[in-house]
Amino acid sequence: EVQLVESGGGLVKPGGSLRLSCEVSGFTLTSYTMNWVRQAPGKGLEWVSSISRSATYIYYADSVKGRFTISRDSAKNSLYLQMNSLRAEDTAVYYCAKFSGSYDYFDYWGLGTLVTVSS
Amino acid sequence: SYVLTQPPSVSVAPGKTASITCGGDNIGSKSVHWYQQRPGQAPVVVMYYDSDRPSGIPDRFSGSNSGNTATLTISRVEAGDEAGYYCQVSDSSSDHVVFGGGTKLTVL
Repeated sequence: EVQLVESGGGLVKPGGSLRLSCEVSGFTLTSYTMNWVRQAPGKGLEWVSSISRSATYIYYADSVKGRFTISRDSAKNSLYLQMNSLRAEDTAVYYCAKFSGSYDYFDYWGLGTLVTVSS
Repeated sequence: SYVLTQPPSVSVAPGKTASITCGGDNIGSKSVHWYQQRPGQAPVVVMYYDSDRPSGIPDRFSGSNSGNTATLTISRVEAGDEAGYYCQVSDSSSDHVVFGGGTKLTVL
């Protein structure tokens, strides 16, 4: 059974940093493109970042480029999102999501972890 | 950057048909995927590659995509279909994933 479990969310002050983790099971992390997607309270879905199967291709939304870094550790079956220089507008539930093998859609999602940026 | 436009809300009576649109420039040339999100839950894919249904999604859900509009159609709407619906594409020019703004489906 495929599972994705996020952790690491919490309350952080503006300008601060946070590292999110997503532990996966039921599939091989390096066989699929993995993503982070966020949802601000009461708002829609926003794609944040992706890392390709080979980790050769890494992409970021313009809103986080230069501040966030996606990475993974295959030995720990984990995906990460290092978030620096956090802003109030980064407040959101952050989802870890797996791309399907055939098409660029998300076939599995975690339950999400809430990040709140506030003084 | 590529933009997807959805109506903020759609209302439909039980047993009727709901159509949720997703507009984008020449979206018919892209593969469109749809997600259902109930309050407090993670999204779930209900349609991929324009009109393919994942296993477990009822055949009341169907999709189409042509020209500048993709459409998710829900026939014989039930109370349990009340949720937010999001369209999604991959923008090959930027290698970014793009979501529509979302449509809240209300079952009257």
